[in-house]
Amino acid sequence: GAVVSQHPSWVICKSGTSVKIECRSLDFQATTMFWYRQFPKQSLMLMATSNEGSKATYEQGVEKDKFLINHASLTLSTLTVTSAHPEDSSFYICSARDLTGEKPQHFGDGTRLSIL
Amino acid sequence: QKEVEQDPGPLSVPEGAIVSLNCTYSNSAFQYFMWYRQYSRKGPELLMYTYSSGNKEDGRFTAQVDKSSKYISLFIRDSQPSDSATYLCAPLMNRDDKIIFGKGTRLHILP
Repeated sequence: GAVVSQHPSWVICKSGTSVKIECRSLDFQATTMFWYRQFPKQSLMLMATSNEGSKATYEQGVEKDKFLINHASLTLSTLTVTSAHPEDSSFYICSARDLTGEKPQHFGDGTRLSIL
Repeated sequence: QKEVEQDPGPLSVPEGAIVSLNCTYSNSAFQYFMWYRQYSRKGPELLMYTYSSGNKEDGRFTAQVDKSSKYISLFIRDSQPSDSATYLCAPLMNRDDKIIFGKGTRLHILP
């Protein structure tokens, strides 16, 4: 079945550094991917919609300069958390829209980001 | 009024019991109704989705939609400890719309 891979699964870094998270669709092409953030014991919050070859669409309240999204190919979207601070520590999950498959979206297994 | 309402739980039931998970929604334009399961520290997994009203069964899982009352349910028969997870309902107008998740219901199946 279709799989979405996220990398890394867990990252710890110092405050002030930038962190890049990758989301890949492994056996289908995804013109649209979505990025979510989830704090402990809370639901997934949609951050942005990533469109291949064009700018991402951010949800209200999400800083586009803080969370840079690049969707340069039909199988890869990246989320860069710039100048990360402890409050950015969270679980980041991507999903990829599958227009031809039975399931409309496939989710990755998430990236746990810890900022010290 | 929020678009989707779910009791966050936690809901604890003994192994083997029938579990009923419910959602209410406010937008009558919703046509697709998804149920996702999320284990701790994992991404959500689509369990079932239905179009319009009615029932759909898949193994131990049954999804039920009542559009007249804007009420959707997921039933789990013969519940197992491995069913312990958070269950999220996601009603959509179109199948490929972006998903705005509600809080979900945390379920614990007690061995």
